[in-house]
Amino acid sequence: GAGVSQSPSNKVTEKGKDVELRCDPISGHTALYWYRQRLGQGLEFLIYFQGNSAPDKSGLPSDRFSAERTGESVSTLTIQRTQQEDSAVYLCASSPGAARRVRDTQYFGPGTRLTVL
Amino acid sequence: SQKIEQNSEALNIQEGKTATLTCNYTNYSPAYLQWYRQDPGRGPVFLLLIRENEKEKRKERLKVTFDTTLKQSLFHITASQPADSATYLCALRDNYGQNFVFGPGTRLSVLP
Repeated sequence: GAGVSQSPSNKVTEKGKDVELRCDPISGHTALYWYRQRLGQGLEFLIYFQGNSAPDKSGLPSDRFSAERTGESVSTLTIQRTQQEDSAVYLCASSPGAARRVRDTQYFGPGTRLTVL
Repeated sequence: SQKIEQNSEALNIQEGKTATLTCNYTNYSPAYLQWYRQDPGRGPVFLLLIRENEKEKRKERLKVTFDTTLKQSLFHITASQPADSATYLCALRDNYGQNFVFGPGTRLSVLP
């Protein structure tokens, strides 16, 4: 079946504008993660959704960042009033979820490269 | 404080040799540890998972060890090939945590 998809693949925006990034997880995966990866650096956890539980938002860097997920499907990450330091690749991953917690392999999308001018 | 570190930012080895990458963690008690491969411009791809009660796990030319006393995992690629060149990331989730923590990665270059 299809893997995790993300759109757009690239986004260039001006400082101060809002952007919305989309993630389509693998069908049936109950867990969904968003990460940020700055150039040459590791993955920085942003937010985690598991089924209908309240999301773990502990990694969101500021209140300009928010994310939503409809049930166990699509998720959107919104960045309001973008700043130049928001420039990075935003990666989404899904996994089968809590039912198979110990074997919680993450399947990553290709990422969205965000450039804030 | 909690942290997860990988031994070096970059590692160059000759084709045919064994590459050994290190992942060390502090103040975590992971139930398992994972290794991923990331190629430029792409998302990470899962390679192997090793549980806290396993000492070693193998998959083809890959071998992972996990020492919970040393708080360290070693990732080996035997008979390395130029196609193995990539960044390798270790990741863990604490027994009590919800999210995953990734190491900064080691960029491996296998020279022909």
